[in-house]
Amino acid sequence: DTEVTQTPKHLVMGMTNKKSLKCEQHMGHRAMYWYKQKAKKPPELMFVYSYEKLSINESVPSRFSPECPNSSLLNLHLHALQPEDSALYLCASSRNGQLNIQYFGAGTRLSVL
Amino acid sequence: KQEVTQIPAALSVPEGENLVLNCSFTDSAIYNLQWFRQDPGKGLTSLLLIQSSQREQTSGRLNASLDKSSGRSTLYIAASQPGDSATYLCAANLKTSYDKVIFGPGTSLSVIP
Repeated sequence: DTEVTQTPKHLVMGMTNKKSLKCEQHMGHRAMYWYKQKAKKPPELMFVYSYEKLSINESVPSRFSPECPNSSLLNLHLHALQPEDSALYLCASSRNGQLNIQYFGAGTRLSVL
Repeated sequence: KQEVTQIPAALSVPEGENLVLNCSFTDSAIYNLQWFRQDPGKGLTSLLLIQSSQREQTSGRLNASLDKSSGRSTLYIAASQPGDSATYLCAANLKTSYDKVIFGPGTSLSVIP
């Protein structure tokens, strides 16, 4: 099983809402990632968790708050987002770091009104 | 600044043709390079991962090569099929940016029946 599951598939939220994106993998991977992808652009790295600890934060605004409650789960909490935050949010995992193959989820399509 | 570029940006070929997609990176100190496929609005599917110690990897009709000295990787697709139509992205894990994979902008491939 090489599946990374992301929920929800689509999310529409207002600028004052609080919502969360969820990512789950059961491959025993110890590195998990959040990427943001705008239309016709490559994914941009946001956060990296390694062994449930945040190892990279690419200067992402604090309105995005990641959480890794256990080795299988990765959340991205959203609060007071802006319309320009509308994008496809992708989660990925790899065995124990970026030297290994990254497996991506299908993404959450986020629209901020 | 580390950069990954891909040419061409878009490619349209008739079914059955063999084709080559190109990826260049500015830093020859590389851990690995990964090729992905992305269908519109979907997540990324890993195709091939080439470690820095390898020169090529093959999977079915796909062959990827890596030339560290020239900072290039190519993805060769044999006997193209309409189902190969997608955007192909390369992603380099450079030693100067360890734990951060840098994506190229992608090549949009259209295979015409």
